[in-house]
Amino acid sequence: SQELEQSPQSLIVQEGKNLTINCTSSKTLYGLYWYKQKYGEGLIFLMMLQKGGEEKSHEKITAKLDEKKQQSSLHITASQPSHAGIYLCGADKGGTYKYIFGTGTRLKVLA
Amino acid sequence: SAVISQKPSRDICQRGTSLTIQCQVDSQVTMMFWYRQQPGQSLTLIATANQGSEATYESGFVIDKFPISRPNLTFSTLTVSNMSPEDSSIYLCSVGAGEDQPQHFGDGTRLSIL
Repeated sequence: SQELEQSPQSLIVQEGKNLTINCTSSKTLYGLYWYKQKYGEGLIFLMMLQKGGEEKSHEKITAKLDEKKQQSSLHITASQPSHAGIYLCGADKGGTYKYIFGTGTRLKVLA
Repeated sequence: SAVISQKPSRDICQRGTSLTIQCQVDSQVTMMFWYRQQPGQSLTLIATANQGSEATYESGFVIDKFPISRPNLTFSTLTVSNMSPEDSSIYLCSVGAGEDQPQHFGDGTRLSIL
């Protein structure tokens, strides 16, 4: 079965610093989705990547999907306390519309 | 994107009791999903609830424990039956818009079992 591994598991950065979160799949990705979760709350959709080599940006967050479609990275530029939360990558299980999720990365940004 | 409302937002229940969680969407959707997020863990899909058919459960989840209703295209319920402390989790519903569209999630129900 497909698995998603995220790294790092947790991250503490000083405000203003850049950071990168990685998501690696055991199988080729049909669709890769990045979400943010505030502690104990629902998931907020950030970005969707489908094509190998695709890159998308929204405000200070950029996400990329590698050419082989097995790894994605999420990069935050000039981090702010509002970026704090849990970042989750999710993948469509072989076009079934069912998602599996990565292990999550807990981000804390120190003011 | 669809606006998804979950009720209750949180509850504390006694072991052996059951709780029904509601998920209301402001537009008609074909696919709805229920997930569980155990403390400190990622999300695990419980079942898919499509209107007009029985819910389909993932491995490790059974209908007797997690009965699901989907009476129309804007509403679904998940019941957590005969609860034990191991059922303490956040339960989330999501809606799928179909191919090439992301799922969108409700705010979740935080459930604690004493």
